[in-house]
Amino acid sequence: NAGVTQTPKFQVLKTGQSMTLQCAQDMNHNSMYWYRQDPGMGLRLIYYSASEGTTDKGEVPNGYNVSRLNKREFSLRLESAAPSQTSVYFCASHRGPSNQPQHFGDGTRLSIL
Amino acid sequence: DAKTTQPPSMDCAEGRAANLPCNHSTISGNEYVYWYRQIHSQGPQYIIHGLKNNETNEMASLIITEDRKSSTLILPHATLRDTAVYYCIVLNSGGSNYKLTFGKGTLLTVNP
Repeated sequence: NAGVTQTPKFQVLKTGQSMTLQCAQDMNHNSMYWYRQDPGMGLRLIYYSASEGTTDKGEVPNGYNVSRLNKREFSLRLESAAPSQTSVYFCASHRGPSNQPQHFGDGTRLSIL
Repeated sequence: DAKTTQPPSMDCAEGRAANLPCNHSTISGNEYVYWYRQIHSQGPQYIIHGLKNNETNEMASLIITEDRKSSTLILPHATLRDTAVYYCIVLNSGGSNYKLTFGKGTLLTVNP
């Protein structure tokens, strides 16, 4: 039972480098989400995809781009990484539209020097 | 979506019931109450959710007051592995918006 799989689990970047965080789910869910969590804080929504082929901005989209590659995969790209983007990134999926819960991956810990 | 208020921290003795309160006084009629928890920087884990009636599953019970302005998550027999941050979230799932808004939650520490 893989659920939501995120890769990589850890990454260190230099300022200005680019990187793509990968997320895949095997539950045939329609909706997928990217969150970030800074120390001592709750999760904040970066982008989401309500269904295949659609993406929308969340609370903190600046500095990020996303791609819903297919129903299973939703990637998050940092074009020019900044130290302020040092965070733990979580991907989640949801059956949608319904009141069923979101399922989360184990996160990607990203440090930008 | 309605905002929620939770105490920043609580303690509980191992084996005892843990009762975590949440205030959501501005909740509207079609908004659900969800509870998630996060154990030591892992991904959030869904616990339970409800609309009006009390709910119970293998993990916990959710008690929602009659006016729906507050709720309590009950872990009936807390163990050390229940030490985590618990998030109470109110969500309108009647439309197409299923975006969760996380506050700071309650850090529950279960003591031996």
